[in-house]
Amino acid sequence: AIQLTQSPSSLSASVGDRVTITCRASQGIRSDLGWYQQKPGKAPKALIYAASHLQSGVPSRFSGSGSGTDFTLTISSLQPEDFATYYCLQDYNYPITFGQGTRLEIK
Amino acid sequence: QLQLQESGPGLVKPSETLSLTCTVSGASIINSTYHWGWIRQPPGKGLEWIGNIYYSGSTFYNPSLESRVTISHDSSNKQLSLQLSSVTTADTAVYYCARQPIEVAAFFDFWGLGTPVTVSS
Repeated sequence: AIQLTQSPSSLSASVGDRVTITCRASQGIRSDLGWYQQKPGKAPKALIYAASHLQSGVPSRFSGSGSGTDFTLTISSLQPEDFATYYCLQDYNYPITFGQGTRLEIK
Repeated sequence: QLQLQESGPGLVKPSETLSLTCTVSGASIINSTYHWGWIRQPPGKGLEWIGNIYYSGSTFYNPSLESRVTISHDSSNKQLSLQLSSVTTADTAVYYCARQPIEVAAFFDFWGLGTPVTVSS
């Protein structure tokens, strides 16, 4: 199975900060990677698919980049509602796997 | 508007079979454009993909669960089903169903709210 390793595992930041989360795959996965946001007690929400495509309705401060093994999720200017846990996901091949998550907390 | 709603017993005894249903409204589950998946999340932990079912009924399972899991669909009732046999406390989790567009990479676009399941005697 393809392993996805996110870094950092947790992050403290302030409103207005620029934040970058990385996801590294254990083998090349083209651009078959997505990013998901999850708030406590809620279902995950898709932010980015195919590495860099923004899901409809997601604010443009979110962006994704990368291909192959290295990917990033960037939030250009943190808003209060962005404090959550973020997961990457690959479906290059089965089994579909998730990263371990990055918890983004308020500083 | 597409909605997915998971349902099932909140409490299951060890060694028994967990059975969950996902009722889909606002879309056909036999639409060739989509797959349908089950994902779970143990308390305080990350997300784990359980398996997918294609519109045709073909299934793909996580190898870690494959010997115990069955996913099926009932298009007439617009329902997906998940069965997990021989459960242990490690199967305690919130279980989600989600839709995955076939032609779009790494994209589960609609999720249910999730249903919590506790395995305990």
